Amino acid sequence: TQLLEQSPQFLSIQEGENLTVYCNSSSVFSSLQWYRQEPGEGPVLLVTVVTGGEVKKLKRLTFQFGDARKDSSLHITAAQPGDTGLYLCAGAPSKNRDDKIIFGKGTRLHILP
Amino acid sequence: DSGVTQTPKHLITATGQRVTLRCSPRSGDLSVYWYQQSLDQGLQFLIHYYNGEERAKGNILERFSAQQFPDLHSELNLSSLELGDSALYFCASRNRGGYGYTFGSGTRLTVV
Repeated sequence: TQLLEQSPQFLSIQEGENLTVYCNSSSVFSSLQWYRQEPGEGPVLLVTVVTGGEVKKLKRLTFQFGDARKDSSLHITAAQPGDTGLYLCAGAPSKNRDDKIIFGKGTRLHILP
Repeated sequence: DSGVTQTPKHLITATGQRVTLRCSPRSGDLSVYWYQQSLDQGLQFLIHYYNGEERAKGNILERFSAQQFPDLHSELNLSSLELGDSALYFCASRNRGGYGYTFGSGTRLTVV
């Protein structure tokens, strides 16, 4: 069974600080996604990484896919209260649309003003 | 608006009862994926339908069933409800190229 473990589970930091959250697995994934979920809403896709070692930037968010395509990290620079939410990583075992995407349990991030 | 529509938004019901959750996928999408989200288990895959045909099943309880209709909307039926079935239930459409999902806003089920 493929699993994705996210760490830390909870993170509460002051506005303006930097942070990194991690997503690790012993399995190889064809692609990996990061989502942000706010209370009462469904997860919203932030980014997809598909190539080992790939780095993508979305404003103050930097996403990296591990060289072996087993892990990923999300780095936020100068965190803002608007970054508060549940961050989920998810891995696709293949491009086959019949293959389910595996989700980690998430990192709950709280940015204090 | 993601284009994936779920109703109802909230549902409160008693143990032992049966409920039906409804999902309309994005226009033109033939697939529907159902997920359950609880605090301790995270997002768990339940079932996937493609153009009316069941394509994959996850750890879906026998008390739960789903179907996809000719107009492509899908219904998730939950019966003999237990307190532990209280959760958020999401449906999703797979994104182009197979990269990730677009989720609906979910149905929050509370069993009392």
